[in-house]
Amino acid sequence: DSGVTQTPKHLITATGQRVTLRCSPRSGDLSVYWYQQSLDQGLQFLIQYYNGEERAKGNILERFSAQQFPDLHSELNLSSLELGDSALYFCASSVGGTEYYEQYFGPGTRLTVT
Amino acid sequence: EDKVVQSPLSLVVHEGDTVTLNCSYEVTNFRSLLWYKQEKKAPTFLFMLTSSGIEKKSGRLSSILDKKELFSILNITATQTGDSAIYLCAVLFTGNQFYFGTGTSLTVIP
Repeated sequence: DSGVTQTPKHLITATGQRVTLRCSPRSGDLSVYWYQQSLDQGLQFLIQYYNGEERAKGNILERFSAQQFPDLHSELNLSSLELGDSALYFCASSVGGTEYYEQYFGPGTRLTVT
Repeated sequence: EDKVVQSPLSLVVHEGDTVTLNCSYEVTNFRSLLWYKQEKKAPTFLFMLTSSGIEKKSGRLSSILDKKELFSILNITATQTGDSAIYLCAVLFTGNQFYFGTGTSLTVIP
């Protein structure tokens, strides 16, 4: 158990809908990272937040947005869902934000869009 | 276009064998290369390599980076069934961004 929690574990929804994935980092970690893992694309970095502010942006679609709250938990919002958004979404956390620090991954949220 | 390529895609070996996994990259503003092990759940961190030619070692696993030829290898000696997993290579570049390879699936049979 990495200490990173993600909810829900599984999510099934229809195309065009909007969902919110939630992540609580390990105690003491200030950075949260979001990743998408699909069968055809592999693991892709989406976005990083550090202490409430966006720190780095990867291949995140405009339909997706994220934020980190004062209590350091983070939410990833996915809207206008398409079949291709079906994937495993991981959250990871680390102590720092500017240099690389070892990231601890949560168990993931499996999203299925039907 | 930046990319990270891992080979082989899949590998099946017997317990006790030694395996070498490869990761090559073409990334501008390279900072570090990282290896992860992913079993049925989330990836777990193995190594981070920043300098060429310096081997990182942890038990039966070791890894080295060649920044001139733009690749890294991950060696696992005396493999065990518990080593069965997908091994992911990721490149960290400027701006704290990551590119991941598609992984090498390793199966160790008794």
